[in-house]
Amino acid sequence: GAVVSQHPSRVICKSGTSVKIECRSLDFQATTMFWYRQFPKQSLMLMATSNEGSKATYEQGVEKDKFLINHASLTLSTLTVTSAHPEDSSFYICSVSSGAKETQYFGPGTRLLVL
Amino acid sequence: GENVEQHPSTLSVQEGDSAVIKCTYSDSASNYFPWYKQELGKRPQLIIDIRSNVGEKKDQRIAVTLNKTAKHFSLHITETQPEDSAVYFCAASADYKLSFGAGTTVTVRA
Repeated sequence: GAVVSQHPSRVICKSGTSVKIECRSLDFQATTMFWYRQFPKQSLMLMATSNEGSKATYEQGVEKDKFLINHASLTLSTLTVTSAHPEDSSFYICSVSSGAKETQYFGPGTRLLVL
Repeated sequence: GENVEQHPSTLSVQEGDSAVIKCTYSDSASNYFPWYKQELGKRPQLIIDIRSNVGEKKDQRIAVTLNKTAKHFSLHITETQPEDSAVYFCAASADYKLSFGAGTTVTVRA
């Protein structure tokens, strides 16, 4: 499967600040990456689909101006949580599609805590 | 959109026994069904997947079955071991986007 990294692994920030999370595909070029959010003891919820060189596609209910996604290269997608609030505290996980495209491999996740 | 339901939410089995998790989906266009295992604080890891042109797939102690007519699929783990303890998620995909079930917490008692 694909090797995916995320940085940082955990971050604590003050309310109102912005946080950038990086997702890297280490062993192949990913034209599509996905961003998920997972609250404690809950399932993974797709936030957006990140397409290299074009705008991300956001799921219903996800604010595109609050969760900025940039997929500037075939190996890197970034998610910026702008003006973070305590309710944004969650586990953010990215995934990349394999060559078969439908198989997704996940990064290790970023745990965000907003105080 | 796709709606995936997963049962049971928790499952406790004796080591060596089998565990079965069942999922149903709503979108008849879904054609890809992966299963992920997630340990506490870790990333979900793909353990097995099945496509709509196949009814059953097996990989050592893990097997998945798919009934397209009834829109349900199941995960079977045989000869369970303590290291099988984790949260298991089913998912369904019709357009390369995954919709996940709510998860099943499996505890294997030694």
